[in-house]
Amino acid sequence: GAGVSQTPSNKVTEKGKYVELRCDPISGHTALYWYRQSLGQGPEFLIYFQGTGAADDSGLPNDRFFAVRPEGSVSTLKIQRTERGDSAVYLCASSGGLGSGNEQFFGPGTRLTVL
Amino acid sequence: QKEVEQNSGPLSVPEGAIASLNCTYSDRGSQSFFWYRQYSGKSPELIMSIYSNGDKEDGRFTAQLNKASQYVSLLIRDSQPSDSATYLCAVTGGAGSYQLTFGKGTKLSVIP
Repeated sequence: GAGVSQTPSNKVTEKGKYVELRCDPISGHTALYWYRQSLGQGPEFLIYFQGTGAADDSGLPNDRFFAVRPEGSVSTLKIQRTERGDSAVYLCASSGGLGSGNEQFFGPGTRLTVL
Repeated sequence: QKEVEQNSGPLSVPEGAIASLNCTYSDRGSQSFFWYRQYSGKSPELIMSIYSNGDKEDGRFTAQLNKASQYVSLLIRDSQPSDSATYLCAVTGGAGSYQLTFGKGTKLSVIP
């Protein structure tokens, strides 16, 4: 597609459940980023992939959060044992990678609500 | 800890005026600087990138960077009601750092 796509657009789950959020980056973009945004805040970095490997996962808040990008394209963010504090909009962005100027283009986001 | 500071606003300007949005950052090693526009309920949209000191113009938008003062700004000329949104300043770290650190954003209202 022309832009970054994310599914689902909305996810409502119960505390303690497991969720998966999917991101499909712009075709040809080698770098993929996950951020999350709470109301009234700017996006907060979670993890960055260059190709298939996680180049920087320093933003993951704890070990309940994990992300994969097995074929260097689509990525899945996985959250175990969800907590109410995980409620936020989860944003995915992609960029052309090294030498591209690191301009990051965001998808529409997944709004996660943990009840 | 890297910080990016913006006035939260709201900043109100009349239609046709110049809107001036400001941002300071704490990491002196930051190399890339971006402005994103975010409409309510939508995701951030990249509108400007700047990498070296000085001005960069694109249509009605001008980004200004002063690394010595650790300051980056965005000017919007001939402001339109459709420019009403939250503007997010974002910076990367030093060499090899690609993650963006965002400010909380400045809410701009353009009054017809």
